Amino acid sequence: KQEVTQIPAALSVPEGENLVLNCSFTDSAIYNLQWFRQDPGKGLTSLLLIQSSQREQTSGRLNASLDKSSGRSTLYIAASQPGDSATYLCAVSVTDKLIFGTGTRLQVFP
Amino acid sequence: DAGVIQSPRHEVTEMGQEVTLRCKPISGHDYLFWYRQTMMRGLELLIYFNNNVPIDDSGMPEDRFSAKMPNASFSTLKIQPSEPRDSAVYFCASSFGINYGYTFGSGTRLTVV
Repeated sequence: KQEVTQIPAALSVPEGENLVLNCSFTDSAIYNLQWFRQDPGKGLTSLLLIQSSQREQTSGRLNASLDKSSGRSTLYIAASQPGDSATYLCAVSVTDKLIFGTGTRLQVFP
Repeated sequence: DAGVIQSPRHEVTEMGQEVTLRCKPISGHDYLFWYRQTMMRGLELLIYFNNNVPIDDSGMPEDRFSAKMPNASFSTLKIQPSEPRDSAVYFCASSFGINYGYTFGSGTRLTVV
């Protein structure tokens, strides 16, 4: 059974820091991995999608890497801003299903 | 496209009542998913459809839960009778398929008192 874990569970940093959020999964037989952002009381916003054949994807200040063989992905946030405060979720695609991690709650303070 | 549309945004109901949640997927998406989010269990997949056909309902917690997709542009998740432990945020998502990303709706916050 696929299990997805995210570390740390919570993170509080001052504005301007570069951050790394970690995601690990137990079964490397995935089709892709997706990172989402969720603001309090809101839905999920897709940030990046990495296919299993890819190593990384970039969007603005965000960079996500994937090492399928070791069952790991990282989300790198450069020059963090207070507006980045949210919960970040990774999810792996297994057959047709998306299995979610436990999330990292990020707070960036001015 | 307006994205995945869910209604209602909030629902408060009394224990024992029937609750119906609604979802309109993105036009052209072949897959539709229903998820439930709670603090204790995070995001759990309840059921998903491909081309309007239920493929996997193993996540549906009990017979009190049922889901339908009568056509490509509409799906419902029904709880009958509702219980306080059903209180959660229910999300609908749609996708073109396994090699594509998922788009989520804004969710329905259900409170059963």
